[in-house]
Amino acid sequence: QKEVEQNSGPLSVPEGAIASLNCTYSDRGSQSFFWYRQYSGKSPELIMSIYSNGDKEDGRFTAQLNKASQYVSLLIRDSQPSDSATYLCAVNKDSAAGNKLTFGGGTRVLVKP
Amino acid sequence: GAVVSQHPSRVICKSGTSVKIECRSLDFQATTMFWYRQFPKQSLMLMATSNEGSKATYEQGVEKDKFLINHASLTLSTLTVTSAHPEDSSFYICSATGTGFYYEQYFGPGTRLTVT
Repeated sequence: QKEVEQNSGPLSVPEGAIASLNCTYSDRGSQSFFWYRQYSGKSPELIMSIYSNGDKEDGRFTAQLNKASQYVSLLIRDSQPSDSATYLCAVNKDSAAGNKLTFGGGTRVLVKP
Repeated sequence: GAVVSQHPSRVICKSGTSVKIECRSLDFQATTMFWYRQFPKQSLMLMATSNEGSKATYEQGVEKDKFLINHASLTLSTLTVTSAHPEDSSFYICSATGTGFYYEQYFGPGTRLTVT
């Protein structure tokens, strides 16, 4: 079992719809969770951080964390063609990991006009 | 968000030569910097973690004598690929985090290395 798992996609979403991305992690001691967006040929860009159970909203993005079920999700509302990218889920496992993040393989999102 | 720069953005070198890549945190002090490598259509692979003033910690399978990392100050880390070979051609990306960042990492724009 991978430490951080994501569906590779592509997730095809009509423009204006909600894109829903899921990520599961294996280490129950994980404390910090992040979503990064990576456009083709570019480096990752941090879009959301979440540390406690529940929802966190930032503009059109909502991150949801459920530590009991060991999953974190990202919702993109009113999806735009510019949201087409690969979304990486990252987890800081525990204090033993120091500052390291473990990344999932990424979910490719395609928003069709 | 915090800003991280990388230089050069692209480099082409001949097999057997060495290449140095610089990573700078522009508006914060980076207590820890990370170096990743990414091959086409694959996810990020962490190569090493470096803290200012101390030796880098390399991930399993990464040759520390081939990938030399120096983190001489709180705003600068360098990665030197020594005796580069075509299989070292890849996208090299650094990231940095600082005190109070709660493990958030901010990435540089990356360096595309091609070894001919």
